[in-house]
Amino acid sequence: GAVVSQHPSRVICKSGTSVKIECRSLDFQATTMFWYRQFPKQSLMLMATSNEGSKATYEQGVEKDKFLINHASLTLSTLTVTSAHPEDSSFYICSGGWGPGETQYFGPGTRLLVL
Amino acid sequence: EDKVVQSPLSLVVHEGDTVTLNCSYEVTNFRSLLWYKQEKKAPTFLFMLTSSGIEKKSGRLSSILDKKELFSILNITATQTGDSAVYLCAVRKTGGTSYGKLTFGQGTILTVHP
Repeated sequence: GAVVSQHPSRVICKSGTSVKIECRSLDFQATTMFWYRQFPKQSLMLMATSNEGSKATYEQGVEKDKFLINHASLTLSTLTVTSAHPEDSSFYICSGGWGPGETQYFGPGTRLLVL
Repeated sequence: EDKVVQSPLSLVVHEGDTVTLNCSYEVTNFRSLLWYKQEKKAPTFLFMLTSSGIEKKSGRLSSILDKKELFSILNITATQTGDSAVYLCAVRKTGGTSYGKLTFGQGTILTVHP
């Protein structure tokens, strides 16, 4: 299957700082990547759809100014959590595939802890 | 509003048992249903189902979709402790701005005791 990497795998930061998470497709080109958030003992919730070369599409209730998404190339999408607060602590996972209609492969996830 | 509901929410069995996990859905513009296994990190892909009645099989795992009754089951035979995980069901839609998006169920936590 396709390989998707995420960096960093774990980050601890102080409240008010910004954190950038990278999602890379290593052996394929992803025109579309998806960003999910997962709180403990809950399922994955889609945050936004990241399209290469255009603006991301955010799900209802997700603040686009707080969660900045950039999909600058066919192999890289970034999620920046701006002015992070403790309630943003969560597991952030990206996924990508050859196309949005194809099987989506998940990155290993980034665990964010905001103190 | 789209819904994906999994049952049971948790299941505890012993090695060698057979388990059946359920996933029912209500979505507009259904395209496919996917099963994932999640251990401590991100989900790993198991199956993608698009047609009714065609069983997909991989080793001790198998899955089937019923598009008329809007559900899918995931079977695991001769369970092993390594099968302990959260099993997630997700539905993909087709068309418009929803194209490619996955809606996940809440997951079934499977625990297999030796």
